[in-house]
Amino acid sequence: AQSVTQPDIHITVSEGASLELRCNYSYGATPYLFWYVQSPGQGLQLLLKYFSGDTLVQGIKGFEAEFKRSQSSFNLRKPSVHWSDAAEYFCAVGGDNQGGKLIFGQGTELSVKP
Amino acid sequence: DTEVTQTPKHLVMGMTNKKSLKCEQHMGHRAMYWYKQKAKKPPELMFVYSYEKLSINESVPSRFSPECPNSSLLNLHLHALQPEDSALYLCASSLAVSQPQHFGDGTRLSIL
Repeated sequence: AQSVTQPDIHITVSEGASLELRCNYSYGATPYLFWYVQSPGQGLQLLLKYFSGDTLVQGIKGFEAEFKRSQSSFNLRKPSVHWSDAAEYFCAVGGDNQGGKLIFGQGTELSVKP
Repeated sequence: DTEVTQTPKHLVMGMTNKKSLKCEQHMGHRAMYWYKQKAKKPPELMFVYSYEKLSINESVPSRFSPECPNSSLLNLHLHALQPEDSALYLCASSLAVSQPQHFGDGTRLSIL
């Protein structure tokens, strides 16, 4: 079965600290992987994507993610968190023959301590 | 600023009303999507349009009726909704299906 697991429902980090949000997926074909961020009252903003090629992808707002096929993971990282990064983060997987369907994880809520 | 524009931002309606949600994009995207999102949950796909044709309907009740008048516009017509339909309705678009989706800020719908 196709699925995305974000093991951490809620994470709190101090401002300036590093961040890693975990994402594991189960997908039968070549996955396309995405990280989205959603601030309260807003839609989802695409942070970064992986389709093929270099397994370390850079995104907007200083985020990066690494695709590890052997671990079926696509973890999101940021070296130094800012208070404005507090939001909900969703990992999603899609593919060539899905007709546009994305499978979303349940999300990780990030809080940032001053 | 989001490049996918949704109107209205908020909508309150009774269970017997008929209303429509509107979504517009001018990025030349040929795939458009409707999602429903409940609080603290991921978005749930409702409909996908590809080249102005409905390609996916995720068994959505008929009280929700999508329409794609042209490649830039997507509507969601609402009729006889139930209280459990209260949610954030998100529109998204992409260059083509399987390409990254760009979301609007949504319409927050409340059913009285």
